[in-house]
Amino acid sequence: GNSVTQMEGPVTLSEEAFLTINCTYTATGYPSLFWYVQYPGEGLQLLLKATKADDKGSNKGFEATYRKETTSFHLEKGSVQVSDSAVYFCALLDPQGGSEKLVFGKGTKLTVNP
Amino acid sequence: DTEVTQTPKHLVMGMTNKKSLKCEQHMGHRAMYWYKQKAKKPPELMFVYSYEKLSINESVPSRFSPECPNSSLLNLHLHALQPEDSALYLCASSQIHGGASYGYTFGSGTRLTVV
Repeated sequence: GNSVTQMEGPVTLSEEAFLTINCTYTATGYPSLFWYVQYPGEGLQLLLKATKADDKGSNKGFEATYRKETTSFHLEKGSVQVSDSAVYFCALLDPQGGSEKLVFGKGTKLTVNP
Repeated sequence: DTEVTQTPKHLVMGMTNKKSLKCEQHMGHRAMYWYKQKAKKPPELMFVYSYEKLSINESVPSRFSPECPNSSLLNLHLHALQPEDSALYLCASSQIHGGASYGYTFGSGTRLTVV
C-alpha cells in the first residue's frame, strides 16, 4: 500500500538556520507529492507540491524536489524564521491506487527560536 | 473564493447531544472529505463524497453521519459521541481527478470536545 515516512521530530532551530525535513514514500503508481503546514490551532495549508519526477515545488522560501530514484521529497529552507514554527506534513496522492486518498506522514513539529 | 469554511470553530457537546458540523466551499470542487485529527497526529480520513455521493467510508462508527446536500455543502451529524471522539474535525475539497495535481484545500477545522 501507499505510505509516507517522515523524520521524527521535534526539530528545534535558531532563526536563520537551514532546515531539512526528510520524507520518503512508498506508492504503487506515480503519485503526486505534497507538503502541508499546520500552524498552532489551525487547519492544514498546502505549502508546495510536485506532480512528477524531478519537479521542484517551492513557496515562501521552502523547496522540495521529487526524486523518483530515491523515492524522496525532502523539505528545505535556507533561512528559517520564528513564524515558520508549525507542524509539517508530507503527503502523497496516488490516482492509480484505486482511490484518490491523500496519505499523510506522521508530521514533524518545527520550533524556531529567536 | 478559494476557501473552505467550517462552522462552528469550537463545539462542546454532551454524550447524549445531537449536533452538526458544517462545511462550505465555492470553488466548484466535486470531491469533499471529512478528516479527524487527534492531538499530535496526522489527519485520518473518515468520509469521501464524489459528485455528492458517498464514495468512501473508512469504517467510521454510525454515531458519525455525513451528508452532502449539494455540491457546495458537506455536513457531519453527530449523535451519542464518546469522550474519545474529541478531536479537530477537518473538511477538505478537491477537484475530481484533479486532486493529484492541485492537492486538497482544507478548512480551519472544528475543535470538538465531548464531555
